[in-house]
Amino acid sequence: EAQVTQNPRYLITVTGKKLTVTCSQNMNHEYMSWYRQDPGLGLRQIYYSMNVEVTDKGDVPEGYKVSRKEKRNFPLILESPSPNQTSLYFCASSQTPTNEKLFFGSGTQLSVL
Amino acid sequence: AQTVTQSQPEMSVQEAETVTLSCTYDTSESNYYLFWYKQPPSRQMILVIRQEAYKQQNATENRFSVNFQKAAKSFSLKISDSQLGDTAMYFCASNQGAQKLVFGQGTRLTINP
Repeated sequence: EAQVTQNPRYLITVTGKKLTVTCSQNMNHEYMSWYRQDPGLGLRQIYYSMNVEVTDKGDVPEGYKVSRKEKRNFPLILESPSPNQTSLYFCASSQTPTNEKLFFGSGTQLSVL
Repeated sequence: AQTVTQSQPEMSVQEAETVTLSCTYDTSESNYYLFWYKQPPSRQMILVIRQEAYKQQNATENRFSVNFQKAAKSFSLKISDSQLGDTAMYFCASNQGAQKLVFGQGTRLTINP
């Protein structure tokens, strides 16, 4: 089954404790991205990747890092989480750059205390 | 900045009624896609319908249809014969250049029995 797998689904952490949210897709997609969802703001792009070792900033990249060492994986790293990063996070992948068919992960609800 | 605006934070209708969700957008792209996504309480992001900007014919998917007004940059979603399972958050989105979807703020739709 074609899917984007995100883990964990829920995460509670404390300010400053490094964490990683994993994302993996089994569709051999070149394009992957991370979004965060906040009430009243919709989803906003954090980072995206066009291929292995090729990443670029989205609209809200501050406080986040990503890496793309393998085509299937695109982890999101928060090296020093802060309470304003409490949010619902989505990983997504696409075969094309125009995202006309975007596959989303199931989301990670992060709370930073 | 390119934007997508949903002016109705919440809507509520009775089962079997027809409801229309509004969306306006701003883009400098000559060709683009517009989307409506549904997010039920499970948080899953589900593509409801997609419109290619160069196609004049409005997209339809069963009970879901759009009214695409390119000159006015308007892209509303009509749900006919609404069902309890349509209760969800709905996001309008546009692909703004390569690699990114820009989302509206969302409309929380409740279908009452």
